[in-house]
Amino acid sequence: DGGITQSPKYLFRKEGQNVTLSCEQNLNHDAMYWYRQDPGQGLRLIYYSQIVNDFQKGDIAEGYSVSREKKESFPLTVTSAQKNPTAFYLCASSNPGASYNEQFFGPGTRLTVL
Amino acid sequence: EDQVTQSPEALRLQEGESSSLNCSYTVSGLRGLFWYRQDPGKGPEFLFTLYSAGEEKEKERLKATLTKKESFLHITAPKPEDSATYLCAVHRDSSASKIIFGSGTRLSIRP
Repeated sequence: DGGITQSPKYLFRKEGQNVTLSCEQNLNHDAMYWYRQDPGQGLRLIYYSQIVNDFQKGDIAEGYSVSREKKESFPLTVTSAQKNPTAFYLCASSNPGASYNEQFFGPGTRLTVL
Repeated sequence: EDQVTQSPEALRLQEGESSSLNCSYTVSGLRGLFWYRQDPGKGPEFLFTLYSAGEEKEKERLKATLTKKESFLHITAPKPEDSATYLCAVHRDSSASKIIFGSGTRLSIRP
């Protein structure tokens, strides 16, 4: 089955720790995205990548970092510089070159700071 | 400023009671409007894409429509399993990053 997987489902971070969220897709999509979702707010874009070895900052990139070494993988690191990291993190992918550019989402990772 | 606003924030219906959810937008260069369904603790599930005013798409009890300023998600004779948060998103130009999400409508269907 084609799809997007995220791991872990739940993640707990101590203050001052860096943590990495995994995102893998087997849809052969070129573009991948990371969003943050907070209660009562729309999804906010953290980083996106349209091609391997290239990525751009979204609207709220401060305190986060990414890499895109493989087409299938787009891990997100939440660094200690992110002051309020408790949120639901969603990874998505799309095929911008296709007629339709819908984004398809993974199941999400809930990060909690202890 | 580009903006997507969904209303109402929450909607409670009786099973079988039809209604509509609204998504109004102010963006330049609309490339498409997306509707998603999101269950608690899960990622959004893609429902529809609409590209031009007057376009309609249907799936089971859901029908999405688009005008130049807003989109409606009509729910006909809903069932309890239709309870979820429905998200609207607008793709505003050719850049892959230019997708703005609304904050969603939480729909609850009572049996």
